[in-house]
Amino acid sequence: DMKVTQMPRYLIKRMGENVLLECGQDMSHETMYWYRQDPGLGLQLIYISYDVDSNSEGDIPKGYRVSRKKREHFSLILDSAKTNQTSVYFCASSLYKNSGNTLYFGEGSRLIVV
Amino acid sequence: GQQVQQSPASLVLQEGENAELQCNFSSTATQLQWFYQSPGGSLVSLLSNPSGTKHTGRLTSTTVTKERRSSLHISSSQTTDSGTYLCAPDMGYKLTFGTGTSLLVDP
Repeated sequence: DMKVTQMPRYLIKRMGENVLLECGQDMSHETMYWYRQDPGLGLQLIYISYDVDSNSEGDIPKGYRVSRKKREHFSLILDSAKTNQTSVYFCASSLYKNSGNTLYFGEGSRLIVV
Repeated sequence: GQQVQQSPASLVLQEGENAELQCNFSSTATQLQWFYQSPGGSLVSLLSNPSGTKHTGRLTSTTVTKERRSSLHISSSQTTDSGTYLCAPDMGYKLTFGTGTSLLVDP
């Protein structure tokens, strides 16, 4: 069905709490991504995963960690959330990591840290 | 790192008019990808263009890789085209996104 699913879609957390954002895809894609989108900054790459337990930092990995134990699932974890992590988080997947592969995005997870 | 500039930042059209969106980037890229983001929604890949001209439906992308620029032409705009158009130079292992052009098509 070629779908990327993100859960939860909306989340409010207090500063210092842990946050788990989950992403699933049904296309057996090797590569998965986590981005965040903020007004005026565009999408910024947090982490890339090339396959199970093969993760690489993106441009803004500080304050985040990821987990990929199954090819179809990729989690983003915020240990002790901060107010500046309030953002919309997008998960994406592509068949391979090579140039030109189409990225499929999830609907986004809107996180507010108060 | 890769810097991406999109222009105009916003655009308002009457239905049926054409739109021309520009994307300039600072470093070499193997592809240039265009995405559409619906208001408050997800991103959908529109076109991936390494160089030259590529068409799909009412969309035409022209990329001049060595000049580090690309354009997206939308012909005969429709109200459903309203949203944000993002370009992303593909450096072979990751995409760097611009901040987009916000398009509003009035009926």
